[in-house]
Amino acid sequence: EVQLVESGGGLIQPGGSLRLSCAGSGFTVSSYYMNWVRQAPGKGLEWVSVIYSGGSKYYADSVKGRFTISRDSSKNTVYLQLNSLRVEDTAVYYCARGDTVATTPFDYWGQGTLVTVSS
Amino acid sequence: SYELTQPPSVSVSPGQTARITCSGDALPKKYASWYQQKPGRAPVLVIYKDSQRPSGIPERFSGSSSGTTVTLTISGVQAEDEADYSCQSADSSGSYQVFGGGTKLTVL
Repeated sequence: EVQLVESGGGLIQPGGSLRLSCAGSGFTVSSYYMNWVRQAPGKGLEWVSVIYSGGSKYYADSVKGRFTISRDSSKNTVYLQLNSLRVEDTAVYYCARGDTVATTPFDYWGQGTLVTVSS
Repeated sequence: SYELTQPPSVSVSPGQTARITCSGDALPKKYASWYQQKPGRAPVLVIYKDSQRPSGIPERFSGSSSGTTVTLTISGVQAEDEADYSCQSADSSGSYQVFGGGTKLTVL
C-alpha cells in the first residue's frame, strides 16, 4: 500500500528555518516525480516544488531562492528545506506523488504537516 | 504568472448534476486534473488527463475539455460529494504547476 507521511512542521519565528520530511512506503520515491503542495489557512492549494525522478528541481516563484527540495533514496524520503521563512509561508504542507514520467497527476498525498510562522 | 479560474461556489440539490468549470490559457495544450478536498483532509484525485477517472472513484464523476475550459461534472450528486474541488494543470512550459482557486460544492 502506498503511503506518504510528512513530519517536521511546527511554530517558527519569521526569518527562521525548518526542514520537512516526507517518508514514502509501498513504492520507490526516486522513481517518481515528488511534489510539495501547501495550503494556507482557509485558502486554496498552492504548488510549491517538484523533484523529478531524474533529479531536476523546480520551484514556485513565491519560494524560489528560499526553499530547497531534495531526496534520500536510502531512506525513501523527500525533504523540503524552508529558509528565510515569512508569515505568509504559514500553511499545511502536503507531500504528493506524481507520475513516473511527469509531475502530475498527484495520485497519493500525505496527511500534511502544519508550519506556523509567527513572532 | 499563469492562473486557472474557477467559480467560488456551486450549489445543487441531491440527485441533480453539478458542473464546475476551470479556465486557463494553456489548457488546450496541457492536461488538467481535479481534486476533491473535505474539511481537515488531504485532497483526493478524482479526474486526471482531463477526463480519466482513477480506480475507486465513482462513475458519477466525469471530466471534459473544450478550448480553454475544462469541466468537472458530477451526475446524481450525493450529500457525500459536498466538498471543495480544485483544478490543476501546468503552465505552457510544463515545468510549473498551478491550482485553481477552488470551488465549494454545496449540496442543498
